[in-house]
Formats: sequence, C-alpha cells, structure tokens
Amino acid sequence: DSGVTQTPKHLITATGQRVTLRCSPRSGDLSVYWYQQSLDQGLQFLIQYYNGEERAKGNILERFSAQQFPDLHSELNLSSLELGDSALYFCASSVDLTEYYGYTFGSGTRLTVV
Amino acid sequence: SQQGEEDPQALSIQEGENATMNCSYKTSINNLQWYRQNSGRGLVHLILIRSNEREKHSGRLRVTLDTSKKSSSLLITASRAADTASYFCATGSNTGNQFYFGTGTSLTVIP
Repeated sequence: DSGVTQTPKHLITATGQRVTLRCSPRSGDLSVYWYQQSLDQGLQFLIQYYNGEERAKGNILERFSAQQFPDLHSELNLSSLELGDSALYFCASSVDLTEYYGYTFGSGTRLTVV
Repeated sequence: SQQGEEDPQALSIQEGENATMNCSYKTSINNLQWYRQNSGRGLVHLILIRSNEREKHSGRLRVTLDTSKKSSSLLITASRAADTASYFCATGSNTGNQFYFGTGTSLTVIP
C-alpha cells in the first residue's frame, strides 16, 4: 500500500456519460497530480493541485475537470465520455511543490468506456 | 515535447545478467527520476538524480546522468525474475513542478 488511495479501481460506463474518480493523497502530501495512461499515448500529465489550488495543467481535455478539497483529497471529473477515454487514470502525490522528492502513485482507476 | 524517451522499448535478459536502459530528454531539467511499473499497477519511485549529480546508486540500481547529452541510464545488476516490469524515466522541468514521463522500457527477466 503506497498510501495514495484511488477509488474506484475499475469503472465501466457508456459513451456520453460522466464519471468521477477520487484520490486521497498520502498523509502529509499537499500536491496531487493526475495522469492518464493509455496504450498509444503513454503516461500523460493532466493536472496538478497544491493545497487546494490548481498549479499546472497538462494535456487535459476541456471535458475533464478536477479539484482538490480542503481535506486534500482530489476528484477528477470526466464528462461526455468517448471510447478513446478508456485508460488507466493515476493519481500521485508529493509532499510539496519542489521537485526534489519522488511521487507516490496510487494503484489507479481503470476506466472502460463502451 | 518535454517527455523523455526510453531506449530500448523492450529488453529480454536471463536472470543474473545486467539490464541497462537509457533515457533521452529535450529540455533543461532540475532532476530526473526512474520509476518501475508492474503490469496494470501504479508506478513505484526507484531513484532520483539531481542535475548536478553524475551518478547515483541504490542497492542493485545505478543511475547516471549526462546533462550535456541530455541523457540518463539505469543499470540493474544481477537481475531477478521479480525485476520484470516497465521502467520509466521522468523529467522535472525548471519551470514547473510536474513530471513528464517517457514511454517506458519493458524489461523481461527470464528465470
């Protein structure tokens, strides 16, 4: 157990639907990062939050949004789902904004859009 | 792109042999990290090397960094079947806090 908790582990939904993925960072970590891993795109950075504020955006689609709550857990909302959104979605956390610490990854949510 | 690129894409070796994976990147970095991912699982942080370091060791792992060539290598010595996994390098930029991952090297260690 890495200390980063992601729920649900698996999600199957239909095209056009909306889902919410949840992440609880490791205790004491203030930064949360979301990544999408698909076979053809590799591991893509989506978005980062630090202590409730958005800090950086990567290749995140407009149909996707995220937030970090006061208790530091984060949610990634995916809407108007398409077949191509099927992927593993990982959350990672780190202790602060500096780059001198590694990430701790959760075990991911496998999203299948049918 | 800020992503690193690992080479080779796939590597198959016998148990006990050494495995070497390389990573090339394009932008200036503050540090470079290596992660391991077992099939379908989350990534596990292995080692971080700062831009002012040239070599770092951790157990059976040895990482080198050549900032002039924008490249890094990960050496796993005396490999074991349990080392079978995908290995990713991740680069941290000077301008942000997020890391960009390469496409990974798939390592298979044959018992």
